[in-house]
Amino acid sequence: DSGVTQTPKHLITATGQRVTLRCSPRSGDLSVYWYQQSLDQGLQFLIQYYNGEERAKGNILERFSAQQFPDLHSELNLSSLELGDSALYFCASSVADEGEQFFGPGTRLTVL
Amino acid sequence: GQQLNQSPQSMFIQEGEDVSMNCTSSSIFNTWLWYKQDPGEGPVLLIALYKAGELTSNGRLTAQFGITRKDSFLNISASIPSDVGIYFCADSISGSARQLTFGSGTQLTVLP
Repeated sequence: DSGVTQTPKHLITATGQRVTLRCSPRSGDLSVYWYQQSLDQGLQFLIQYYNGEERAKGNILERFSAQQFPDLHSELNLSSLELGDSALYFCASSVADEGEQFFGPGTRLTVL
Repeated sequence: GQQLNQSPQSMFIQEGEDVSMNCTSSSIFNTWLWYKQDPGEGPVLLIALYKAGELTSNGRLTAQFGITRKDSFLNISASIPSDVGIYFCADSISGSARQLTFGSGTQLTVLP
C-alpha cells in the first residue's frame, strides 16, 4: 500500500459524458501527478500540481482538466468522453516539487 | 520528444533463472528509474540511478546506468513466482522527477 488513494476503482460511462476521478496523496506529500495508461500509448504523464498550483503539463487533452484543493487532494475531470479515453488513470504523489513518486492503485475508466 | 525503447517486450522464464532487460534512449538522461507493476496495482519504484556508470542493487535486483547515459539494464537473479509483473524503465526530464517518461514495459512470466 503506497498510501495514495484513488476513487472510484472502476468507472463505466458512455461517450459524451463527464467524469471526475479523485486522488488523495500520501500524508505530507505536496505534489500530485496524473498519468494515463492505455494499451496503445502506454503510461503517459498528464499533469502535476504542487501545493495547489499547476507545475508541469504533459500530453493532456483540452477536454481534460485537473485541480488540487487546499487539503491537497486532487481531481481529474474528463469531459466529452470518447471510446479512446478508456484507460487506467493513475495518481502519484511526492513530498516535494520533485522526487520519488508513489503511485496509487488507479481508476479503470471504461467508455462505452 | 525523447523516446525510451525497452526490450524484450515479454519474457517467459523458469523459476530460479536469472533475467535481464534493458532500455535505450535517443537522448542523454540524468536519471534512470526502474518500476514494477503488479496486476491491478500502480507502479512501484524498484531502483533509482542518478550517475553514469552507477550500479545499484536492491535484493535480487541489480540495475546499471550506462556510461553513455543513453541506456540502462535491470537484472533479476534467481527468479521467484512473485517476480511476475510488468517492469518499466522511466526517466525524468532535465534531472527533475516532475514528468516521468516510461518505456513500453517488459512483461515477465515465471514458470514453476
